Amino acid sequence: GNSVTQMEGPVTLSEEAFLTINCTYTATGYPSLFWYVQYPGEGLQLLLKATKADDKGSNKGFEATYRKETTSFHLEKGSVQVSDSAVYFCALPMYSGGGADGLTFGKGTHLIIQP
Amino acid sequence: ETGVTQTPRHLVMGMTNKKSLKCEQHLGHNAMYWYKQSAKKPLELMFVYSLEERVENNSVPSRFSPECPNSSHLFLHLHTLQPEDSALYLCASSQGDRQTEAFFGQGTRLTVV
Repeated sequence: GNSVTQMEGPVTLSEEAFLTINCTYTATGYPSLFWYVQYPGEGLQLLLKATKADDKGSNKGFEATYRKETTSFHLEKGSVQVSDSAVYFCALPMYSGGGADGLTFGKGTHLIIQP
Repeated sequence: ETGVTQTPRHLVMGMTNKKSLKCEQHLGHNAMYWYKQSAKKPLELMFVYSLEERVENNSVPSRFSPECPNSSHLFLHLHTLQPEDSALYLCASSQGDRQTEAFFGQGTRLTVV
């Protein structure tokens, strides 16, 4: 099956700093790629996605580009806010065929933004 | 109604108890999932249901028993659990005939004492 590796935290930044969270994947073919965010005491929310190579997903100032050459999907934001403090997960389908397979997730990166 | 709703949000149970977790989705999806989230471990996929048929069971102990009576409801029946089963249990749904994103509920925080 497919797999994903992401940098583990915690990552501590000051407000308005630039953010990068690295994610690399191993997959058959070119499955969709996702970033999810989990705030304290909550479930996972989809942050952004990319469905094919070279696509850029974006939402709430966050961006990630599907790079097939480097099998990466790094999450970036130009200026983080305290409200961005959360755990971020990179994910992709467990298998690259169609159908309901479920997602496989990275271990999560805990992001802490200090005022 | 929000997309995926889980009840209860918190549950404390003894090792000899029997309890059930409930999940309901209002998104018209045809696939539903149970995940387990433990501290310091990646999210673990436990069960997958597509069109109300179980299609995946990732070697989950028999003390966890899923049930999917229709495409909108999913249950996880629990009995004789162990303290190491304490975790956040997350339900999700997706349109299972293509590789789309999954939508998650807020989870049930389970503590086994």
